[in-house]
Amino acid sequence: KNEVEQSPQNLTAQEGEFITINCSYSVGISALHWLQQHPGGGIVSLFMLSSGKKKHGRLIATINIQEKHSSLHITASHPRDSAVYICAARKSSGDKLTFGTGTRLAVRP
Amino acid sequence: NAGVMQNPRHLVRRRGQEARLRCSPMKGHSHVYWYRQLPEEGLKFMVYLQKENIIDESGMPKERFSAEFPKEGPSILRIQQVVRGDSAAYFCASSPRRNDQPQHFGDGTRLSIL
Repeated sequence: KNEVEQSPQNLTAQEGEFITINCSYSVGISALHWLQQHPGGGIVSLFMLSSGKKKHGRLIATINIQEKHSSLHITASHPRDSAVYICAARKSSGDKLTFGTGTRLAVRP
Repeated sequence: NAGVMQNPRHLVRRRGQEARLRCSPMKGHSHVYWYRQLPEEGLKFMVYLQKENIIDESGMPKERFSAEFPKEGPSILRIQQVVRGDSAAYFCASSPRRNDQPQHFGDGTRLSIL
């Protein structure tokens, strides 16, 4: 079993829909990252959080440390949000990131 | 204000050749991380370096792979005697300090082995 699990693996939405991507982890962490990878392959860091909630534009990330669960929400989704969203956990014991397998999101106009 | 720069973007090598991948971190960043993304797989940590030091190389294969981050110049990931299984996208990320900042990623180097 992977230490970081994401769901769903694939997600198709209509433009304007509210989207939720989930991430569960089984290890103690010091931080949880959300990343976005576009079809061209480049990776953008969206959030790094260790507690609570962060918001940037239409993106919201939350984390529940007790339940070892994080969610990424996209409000008023747009076709340009189509990408692979990856969560990554930094274990309490070290520096390296352990990645989920990603959620491939397609937003249709 | 350049981001993390990786070059080359695409690299083609024949089996048995050497591959050198370069990563220039963002200005002011002294921590560099290398990750590998195999086709249809997720990202995997390879190595974490600070200037002139390897901090954690637990994700790097013991043979043929090496990494350095010299006092001057970019970080280099070197793969000797490449094999088909080395075909992947290699990403570099940097951060200004240990752990308390998000990592900034480069666009990656796509390595293809013929």
